[in-house]
Amino acid sequence: LAKTTQPISMDSYEGQEVNITCSHNNIATNDYITWYQQFPSQGPRFIIQGYKTKVTNEVASLFIPADRKSSTLSLPRVSLSDTAVYYCLVGGMDSSYKLIFGSGTRLLVRP
Amino acid sequence: EPEVTQTPSHQVTQMGQEVILRCVPISNHLYFYWYRQILGQKVEFLVSFYNNEISEKSEIFDDQFSVERPDGSNFTLKIRSTKLEDSAMYFCASAYKDTEAFFGQGTRLTVV
Repeated sequence: LAKTTQPISMDSYEGQEVNITCSHNNIATNDYITWYQQFPSQGPRFIIQGYKTKVTNEVASLFIPADRKSSTLSLPRVSLSDTAVYYCLVGGMDSSYKLIFGSGTRLLVRP
Repeated sequence: EPEVTQTPSHQVTQMGQEVILRCVPISNHLYFYWYRQILGQKVEFLVSFYNNEISEKSEIFDDQFSVERPDGSNFTLKIRSTKLEDSAMYFCASAYKDTEAFFGQGTRLTVV
């Protein structure tokens, strides 16, 4: 499985756009990139998934460059309730049945 | 919206006792997982289950642990002879495709 590297923590202010970048240099051809969000004492929650280029949903955007060795989760206009840990996962049906979580990025949104 | 439900939400057990953590996955899902998270640490993979058998397990998932899907709806994790270090949040997850998993709210296991 491709190993992922993310910043340990990030600080932001309400209303700002936050970009969290994840490195996955050993990503395999069949791997998807998936981001999860976790609040304290809750299970991780799926945010967004992509394979290449850009994916956007009602919550976030995911930017994936052509070489797919990194990806950036973009959260537009964050609020206090976006304070959470964000995990980048890499994997897919052909490579593994398991989702491996790294240490994640702890995002703190300040008023 | 369908969700994964776990029971109990909190379980306290004495060291050496057996516990069974229960999960009801989303009904049309095919892949099932157990994870644990020790307080303040990352989410750790324990086991994945597909087509009525274990598909992968981590080194944490030793003979102390077992999983079962006894009927069409439940998915259980049994921990035999619990140790203090088994204290953690245990999360069940299910997926229709294995890359988009839905997690339950977890069971907080406290071994005393």
